[in-house]
Amino acid sequence: EAGVAQSPRYKIIEKRQSVAFWCNPISGHATLYWYQQILGQGPKLLIQFQNNGVVDDSQLPKDRFSAERLKGVDSTLKIQPAKLEDSAVYLCASSSSDRNTEAFFGQGTRLTVV
Amino acid sequence: DAKTTQPPSMDCAEGRAANLPCNHSTISGNEYVYWYRQIHSQGPQYIIHGLKNNETNEMASLIITEDRKSSTLILPHATLRDTAVYYCIVRVGSSNTGKLIFGQGTTLQVKP
Repeated sequence: EAGVAQSPRYKIIEKRQSVAFWCNPISGHATLYWYQQILGQGPKLLIQFQNNGVVDDSQLPKDRFSAERLKGVDSTLKIQPAKLEDSAVYLCASSSSDRNTEAFFGQGTRLTVV
Repeated sequence: DAKTTQPPSMDCAEGRAANLPCNHSTISGNEYVYWYRQIHSQGPQYIIHGLKNNETNEMASLIITEDRKSSTLILPHATLRDTAVYYCIVRVGSSNTGKLIFGQGTTLQVKP
């Protein structure tokens, strides 16, 4: 089966610009996660969707970050305006609604803010 | 915050078993333990998970203590390709929609 697809793989922007990342989860997976991974650290959960509803966004900096999952399938994560400290890898993951199942991760989008 | 504690780094000789420990003393009765690994520049890769029984698959074995306060991931015959950061995670919440909260992980270096 196809894995979690993310695009773009790399993005370089200047501070104060905006950027968007796209994620297409594994077909049929109801749960979708967005993580931020700063160099040298473990992934940090930003937001979790169940179908098209938000389950948890407590760690999402809502003054500049937004995410949506229209129709409960693919998702976009946006940053506006970007700051230097937003430089990181943004990872998307998905899992099915079945009990006791793992989450699958995409390759991530590496963002560099200059 | 992550509910797990892991050593920051470990070494293992190629061909030997790698035993990676994890403490999760505040785990709740219905929370699963998951292990992932991350090789440089890739997304985390699922390895194994369990609730209270020991588990084994083609990649590894997971040993969970009877009190569930700690666990050990065992790679039976480590290869150079097993060099990675290994994350032990307690899935907070329900088993299918719970949050995966990563800690700092253990960097495993497999040496020839």
